[in-house]
Amino acid sequence: SAVISQKPSRDICQRGTSLTIQCQVDSQVTMMFWYRQQPGQSLTLIATANQGSEATYESGFVIDKFPISRPNLTFSTLTVSNMSPEDSSIYLCSVSAAGSNIQYFGAGTRLSVL
Amino acid sequence: GENVEQHPSTLSVQEGDSAVIKCTYSDSASNYFPWYKQELGKRPQLIIDIRSNVGEKKDQRIAVTLNKTAKHFSLHITETQPEDSAVYFCAASTAGNEKLTFGTGTRLTIIP
Repeated sequence: SAVISQKPSRDICQRGTSLTIQCQVDSQVTMMFWYRQQPGQSLTLIATANQGSEATYESGFVIDKFPISRPNLTFSTLTVSNMSPEDSSIYLCSVSAAGSNIQYFGAGTRLSVL
Repeated sequence: GENVEQHPSTLSVQEGDSAVIKCTYSDSASNYFPWYKQELGKRPQLIIDIRSNVGEKKDQRIAVTLNKTAKHFSLHITETQPEDSAVYFCAASTAGNEKLTFGTGTRLTIIP
């Protein structure tokens, strides 16, 4: 399985500010995904990060709030913009290889918004 | 879109006994069903998966069964140990679509 590094591991932010989360993989992967996991809850897909094109967002998530970059096959960022306390959550990236549904997860970013 | 339901939400099992977690899915086109284990404060870890062309898969103490007709699949853990205590998530995806839809999770507690 791929080695996935996610930064930062945690952060405490003030409302109205933005935080960019990075996801780095040690090998080229086709698919990269961003999830949100609220405390005690399941994983909800925010968007699929597509290399060389705009991300594909799920219902309820918009690009203005969660802009995503995917400049190459090993790296992606998720920005949580204009944060409010409701954005406090764990944000996880995952990756899968071409033609494979198997997803491997990063360690997550625990975000607290005051 | 796909909807995955998972039961029970919590499960307590005596050490050494078996645990069973069940999931149902809505999209008959779904063909890939992984199970993830998430320990407190850790990332979800893939523990076993099954594709729609088989009905059962085993890996040591862990097995997954799939009933395509009824659209449900189950995780079976035998000879449970304290380190099996965690939250378990099922998921489903369809051919040509690598997105996973997750169940709501089951908190499994193994009682020593």
